[in-house]
Amino acid sequence: KAGVTQTPRYLIKTRGQQVTLSCSPISGHRSVSWYQQTPGQGLQFLFEYFSETQRNKGNFPGRFSGRQFSNSRSEMNVSTLELGDSALYLCASSLYKGPTEAFFGQGTRLTVV
Amino acid sequence: GESVGLHLPTLSVQEGDNSIINCAYSNSASDYFIWYKQESGKGPQFIIDIRSNMDKRQGQRVTVLLNKTVKHLSLQIAATQPGDSAVYFCAETFGNEKLTFGTGTRLTIIP
Repeated sequence: KAGVTQTPRYLIKTRGQQVTLSCSPISGHRSVSWYQQTPGQGLQFLFEYFSETQRNKGNFPGRFSGRQFSNSRSEMNVSTLELGDSALYLCASSLYKGPTEAFFGQGTRLTVV
Repeated sequence: GESVGLHLPTLSVQEGDNSIINCAYSNSASDYFIWYKQESGKGPQFIIDIRSNMDKRQGQRVTVLLNKTVKHLSLQIAATQPGDSAVYFCAETFGNEKLTFGTGTRLTIIP
């Protein structure tokens, strides 16, 4: 069975631009969570989607948003990119609500220049 | 806010020996814990989990121990192999909400 797939793997954007990242969960998984990983802050929770509804949100500014489609695929969007948004963005999927047995994708490495 | 921390940022172990990675958590209400392994350039890989109603759980070459009295979690890896070299994270959650991750321990296996 295929794992969590994130696209693209690498991305370079200019400050002020916006970006959309995609995550396809494991087949049958209905929960998708997003995390940001940086050397300074470690892994930090962004938000979780379950059945197309955001059920939890971390402490990130409103520039960070997401959505989930009926097939459970999820996208996250970051608008007005800042240099500090450079990070590895990770998506995790779970069968049910919450992080029980959450499996991660390879991540999207975003570099803002 | 609550946080999950690790005692040691780095750990070097001889190949074939057992390794123990420790984690302290501060939220006594946390009810579910996961250990992840992250290799360079990859996402975190699920290793093993444990619920707060258990104190020990075993997997293939790995054992997780939970001591709720002192809010301590450990991951034991038996007969370490070169492929075990990675950063290991513990993560906790309460009430099936978000995962809170520790800072990670880098495990290096010495041939």
